[in-house]
Order: sequence, then structure tokens, then C-alpha cells
Amino acid sequence: DAMVIQNPRYQVTQFGKPVTLSCSQTLNHNVMYWYQQKSSQAPKLLFHYYDKDFNNEADTPDNFQSRRPNTSFCFLDIRSPGLGDAAMYLCATSRGGWEGADTQYFGPGTRLTVL
Amino acid sequence: AQTVTQSQPEMSVQEAETVTLSCTYDTSENNYYLFWYKQPPSRQMILVIRQEAYKQQNATENRFSVNFQKAAKSFSLKISDSQLGDTAMYFCAFTPGTGTASKLTFGTGTRLQVTL
Repeated sequence: DAMVIQNPRYQVTQFGKPVTLSCSQTLNHNVMYWYQQKSSQAPKLLFHYYDKDFNNEADTPDNFQSRRPNTSFCFLDIRSPGLGDAAMYLCATSRGGWEGADTQYFGPGTRLTVL
Repeated sequence: AQTVTQSQPEMSVQEAETVTLSCTYDTSENNYYLFWYKQPPSRQMILVIRQEAYKQQNATENRFSVNFQKAAKSFSLKISDSQLGDTAMYFCAFTPGTGTASKLTFGTGTRLQVTL
């Protein structure tokens, strides 16, 4: 089945130690998104790629970076994780080009713990 | 900026009964889309139903239907004949009808428990 895959499902890192989360998709979608979801809160969009074009949200901290080396893969890099970055990180994809009408397909998420 | 408000943090319904989840939003956009997403425990978020703001007819998907009141900026979800598998967190979400990507703004969610 076509899907959105996130690895790892659970990630533990130390305060200040860089960490990378991975997302891959078999849907061949143009757009890939990263959301941060803290406990009991709404998912919050960090950034998205339309193909190779990177779009950062205005309030996304500089500590968060992203890479999309090809259509299938997208990475979230947290350069110096703080305790406040502990959250579930959701990757999603959509076809793109539909002026907002796109359905987003979500991965299962990576739960990040910062010690 | 858009905001989405879900005023019911938790709800409970008995199997086979009907339940309505509330959502209100605020926007200055005239063209936009509204969604309800479902996030079951430890599973990924999936789309339940979608509504285009320019359509007056309320969207339906099997047991799921919405009551879209554009003037009141209200977008409630009705689940009929509730099933145990409907137990999940439900998120209302908004995206403007511009741009090439659907940038979702989510509400804080309603946790629905379906009981026997």
C-alpha cells in the first residue's frame, strides 16, 4: 500500500545533541510537511516543501531545519534540542497544486524525548 | 491569521448513538477549506471529511456528516451509529484556498470515547 513512513517511531536524545527524523513516502506527492504536536495540543506546521522549494513558517525556530534530497524523502533536523522540543513530530504529504483543497496523508509520527 | 477552536476537550457516546463535535473558526478569507481529521490511539491521522467553503451543501461520508454554517463560522461533525472504532482524537482544521499547498491550522482536538 502507498503510504507515509516515519523512522524511528521513538527517538530519545540528549539536551543539545543534534537529532534527525526521517520521513519517506510512496505516494509520489509533490508536497511534504512537518508538524510538531506537543502533548494535548494541536499539530503545528513547522515547514513544508513543494517539490524542492522550501517554505518555512514565520514562527518556526531556527533550531529546526529540513532537507528533501528527492521526492520520496524528507528529513527534520533539530540542531540543538531543548527540553521544550519534546513532542510528536508528524510528517504529511499531499499532491499539491489544488489551491488548498489537497488531502494530507499523515505518517504515524516520531515521538521525541529529550533528556 | 486563522484560528480554529474546539470547545469540547472530551466527549463520550454509547455505541450506535449519535454524537456531534463542535468547531468554530475565524478567518478573513472568502475561499477556504475545512476538514475533520481523526487520530486513533497510537495510529496515524486520517481524513474523515472535507468541506469547500463555496459549497452550500453539507458534506457527508457514510456515517459522518457536517453542519457548515459559513456566516456563523461553525463547522460541526456528526457521527451517526457510533462504533467502537470511532474512538479517537478528532481535529478540526482549516486551510485557505490559495497557494499550492494546503497549510493546515488545527484546533486543539476533541477526544471521543465510544462505549458499549
